[in-house]
Amino acid sequence: GAGVSQSPRYKVAKRGQDVALRCDPISGHVSLFWYQQALGQGPEFLTYFQNEAQLDKSGLPSDRFFAERPEGSVSTLKIQRTQQEDSAVYLCASSSPYPQGKNEKLFFGSGTQLSVL
Amino acid sequence: AQKITQTQPGMFVQEKEAVTLDCTYDTSDQSYGLFWYKQPSSGEMIFLIYQGSYDEQNATEGRYSLNFQKARKSANLVISASQLGDSAMYFCAMREGRSGNTPLVFGKGTRLSVIA
Repeated sequence: GAGVSQSPRYKVAKRGQDVALRCDPISGHVSLFWYQQALGQGPEFLTYFQNEAQLDKSGLPSDRFFAERPEGSVSTLKIQRTQQEDSAVYLCASSSPYPQGKNEKLFFGSGTQLSVL
Repeated sequence: AQKITQTQPGMFVQEKEAVTLDCTYDTSDQSYGLFWYKQPSSGEMIFLIYQGSYDEQNATEGRYSLNFQKARKSANLVISASQLGDSAMYFCAMREGRSGNTPLVFGKGTRLSVIA
């Protein structure tokens, strides 16, 4: 597809369950970002990949959160032992391989809405 | 301290009128980038406009313009000739430093409602 694709669109998990969220970035985009957006808030940075290398994971809220991008394309965000406070929309974004000026712009997917009961 | 402040939780505007959405930012870097994104109810964040800290002219993209006042650390979005489809959440964001791959920091957003 032409855009960033995320799946599933919605995920309901019981507290304590593990979940995996998938992101398929735009072909050729080496940079990939994960953001968490709580209800009524702006997105907050979780982690950043350049190709398969995870260059920044400073935003991951706990060691229950883990992200990978083993072949430098598709990425998976995994949350272990989900808690109610993990309920949010998880947004994935990718950017052009030559990010300068407005080419720095991020292309976002539609997100995965996670509800932990 | 908040890096990005959007003081208007909600705004109303009459169709075909112009509207200004406020954004102030806080950084000690000389090089930074400012962005505005639109988020309709579908959830996807849509890029609207970019302003670099060294850009002397205010950025414009169609009906969108950015009123950049560097000394006041202000980057307000102006939407001209509002349309019903402009109803959405609007987020101001900043990238600090030179790197184009530094994570964006977002404000809390402003919900714009366009009235017919």
